[in-house]
Amino acid sequence: GEDVEQSLFLSVREGDSSVINCTYTDSSSTYLYWYKQEPGAGLQLLTYIFSNMDMKQDQRLTVLLNKKDKHLSLRIADTQTGDSAIYFCAESTSQAGTALIFGKGTTLSVSS
Amino acid sequence: DSGVTQTPKHLITATGQRVTLRCSPRSGDLSVYWYQQSLDQGLQFLIQYYNGEERAKGNILERFSAQQFPDLHSELNLSSLELGDSALYFCASSDNEALNEQYFGPGTRLTVT
Repeated sequence: GEDVEQSLFLSVREGDSSVINCTYTDSSSTYLYWYKQEPGAGLQLLTYIFSNMDMKQDQRLTVLLNKKDKHLSLRIADTQTGDSAIYFCAESTSQAGTALIFGKGTTLSVSS
Repeated sequence: DSGVTQTPKHLITATGQRVTLRCSPRSGDLSVYWYQQSLDQGLQFLIQYYNGEERAKGNILERFSAQQFPDLHSELNLSSLELGDSALYFCASSDNEALNEQYFGPGTRLTVT
């Protein structure tokens, strides 16, 4: 079946790195995504990684994928207070078709 | 701004009523997806339309229906509303099913009293 798990909460200090983790169960995942949701707003697509890649870097964001362990992480370098939000991991699988399967989200709190 | 628009932003209605939520996709996107976000269930896929045709169905109740019009905007109809239908309803659009990058609108917050 399809299931995406994330830890619920992460607290960091401004300037530190944040690492948000996600595990998934469906081995037929084709793409994995990270979305950001700020209070009262919709979901903003941050980045994605194809399932045959190990790593993808995009400015302050680094995505690491361990396909063997079905583990995905999002590292935010030099975390700022503006990064405070809920971060969702999502997968696209051949079984789910075009529907995205989302985790419950990780709330990132950045203190100055 | 994702380019996806949704109206209304907020909707308050009573149990048993029917409402229509509207979504306009990004210019050129043929696919429209509807998701429901609630505290207990998280984000759940409801239904997808592609160029006017239903493409995929998720955990959508029989009381809910959707359609996509020739101008590609979509409407989600929710009827016989129950308290448990209170949630955020998001629309997303995509122009590439293979890559499946979905861009989300700001959502409609539905409150059923």
